Amino acid sequence: GAGVSQSPRYKVAKRGQDVALRCDPISGHVSLFWYQQALGQGPEFLTYFQNEAQLDKSGLPSDRFFAERPEGSVSTLKIQRTQQEDSAVYLCASSLIGRILQETQYFGPGTRLLVL
Amino acid sequence: AQTVTQSQPEMSVQEAETVTLSCTYDTSENNYYLFWYKQPPSRQMILVIRQEAYKQQNATENRFSVNFQKAAKSFSLKISDSQLGDTAMYFCAFMKHGLGTGNQFYFGTGTSLTVIP
Repeated sequence: GAGVSQSPRYKVAKRGQDVALRCDPISGHVSLFWYQQALGQGPEFLTYFQNEAQLDKSGLPSDRFFAERPEGSVSTLKIQRTQQEDSAVYLCASSLIGRILQETQYFGPGTRLLVL
Repeated sequence: AQTVTQSQPEMSVQEAETVTLSCTYDTSENNYYLFWYKQPPSRQMILVIRQEAYKQQNATENRFSVNFQKAAKSFSLKISDSQLGDTAMYFCAFMKHGLGTGNQFYFGTGTSLTVIP
C-alpha cells in the first residue's frame, strides 16, 4: 500500500474487555514497530518485529499486552483485560529493513483507545 | 538509557516568520541518528528532517534546517518562512541501532507549534 494503515482508528472499550489493534505496514517492509502514545506525551516503544520474529518486546507494559505478526506482514497488538491506564494512541511504524542505522520509520495514523 | 528533552511544550509564530524548536538528548552512544517528526491533528507522524551524528554539516530540507551540536547534545529545528500548514506537534527523536532490536526510537514529549495568520 501507499503507507502504513491501522484499524480501527478509534476504539472504546469497557474496563476488562479484550481489544485487538491491527497494523498493515508498507508492502515489503521487513521491520515493524509498535509504540504507545499517552496524552501529551511522545510515543514510547512497545515491541519490534523483523518479519515474523518478535525480536524485542521489552517495552510491553505488562503480560496483558501481546503482539504477533504470524506471516511477517500484518501485525496485531492485543490487550487483554483492558485497564483505564491503557487509554492511549497506539502507533505502528514500519521500515524497509531495520538493520541499517539510517533507515527511516514510517508511521501509521494510530489507533486511539479509550478504556472506560 | 537514552533520553530526549523538549523544553518548550507550546510555541507560536507569525506566518512567514522564523521559529526555532529546541531539543536536547542524553546518550553514551557515539553512532546514532536524530530526527524531527511532525504530527498534525490527523496524528500521522511525518518525517521532517534527520541528522547523522557522524556528520558535522547540519541537515537542511527546504524551509527546515537543524543546528546540531554534538558535544552539547543539542538538536534544534529551525523553520523559516512559517506556513499555516506547519501547525502541528513536533517531536524530536533519537535512534540508536541495537543488535536484535532494530532501530529503536526514543521520543521527546513534543512541542506544539501554532502558526498565526
